[in-house]
Amino acid sequence: EIVLTQSPGTMSLSPGEGATLSCRASQSVTSDYLAWYQQKPGQVPRLLMYGASRRATGVPDRFSGSGSGTEFTLTITRLEPEDFAVYYCQQYDPSPPTWTFGQGTKVESK
Amino acid sequence: QVQLVESGGGVVQPGTSLRLSCAASGFRFSSYAMHWVRQAPGQGLEWVAIIWYDGSYESYADSVKGRFTVSRDNSKNTLYVQMNSLRAEDTAVYYCARGIYGDYGRYFDLWGRGTLVSVSS
Repeated sequence: EIVLTQSPGTMSLSPGEGATLSCRASQSVTSDYLAWYQQKPGQVPRLLMYGASRRATGVPDRFSGSGSGTEFTLTITRLEPEDFAVYYCQQYDPSPPTWTFGQGTKVESK
Repeated sequence: QVQLVESGGGVVQPGTSLRLSCAASGFRFSSYAMHWVRQAPGQGLEWVAIIWYDGSYESYADSVKGRFTVSRDNSKNTLYVQMNSLRAEDTAVYYCARGIYGDYGRYFDLWGRGTLVSVSS
């Protein structure tokens, strides 16, 4: 079973600053099938990135993803007020088919 | 309008059963694998189960295997999960989510608003 560990647990930042979120896998992620989701308080998770670096429809280009193997990063340049949220990474393991999430990183307003 | 709407949540006692439903609209339901994902209060996301687009395959998280059964009725555009032998640790918001099997991953691109299941004596 692949375990995803996100760091840091919480980030306190100001609007306009940049954020770098880390997602580390205990084993190599299949074909870099790594996705990121954003969840605002009281809201439903929203797909941000898939395939480690591909933005989902409608996601602003201040969001970018990178990484491969066991190390992945979500970068947010110039935080907007609506970006303060919890971010989850997610991977897929084909044997057997299971999906796992990281524990989340909260980006909060300083 | 493309959407998923869950229903069937509530407060139940440990050891009892509950069935959740998820009504899909605005897309070709029968073409997609569908998932259940849950989130305990104040906690992160936990994948629960998947069912193939045609219902021919299911897979479950170890935490629910043998207790939960996922099913679907493509004629009604509806996804279900039958939850038996419920435990306090099953308390969560249950989301249905549309699954993508693409060239760039296996992920969830559409989520319902969720339904709350509370297991308490």
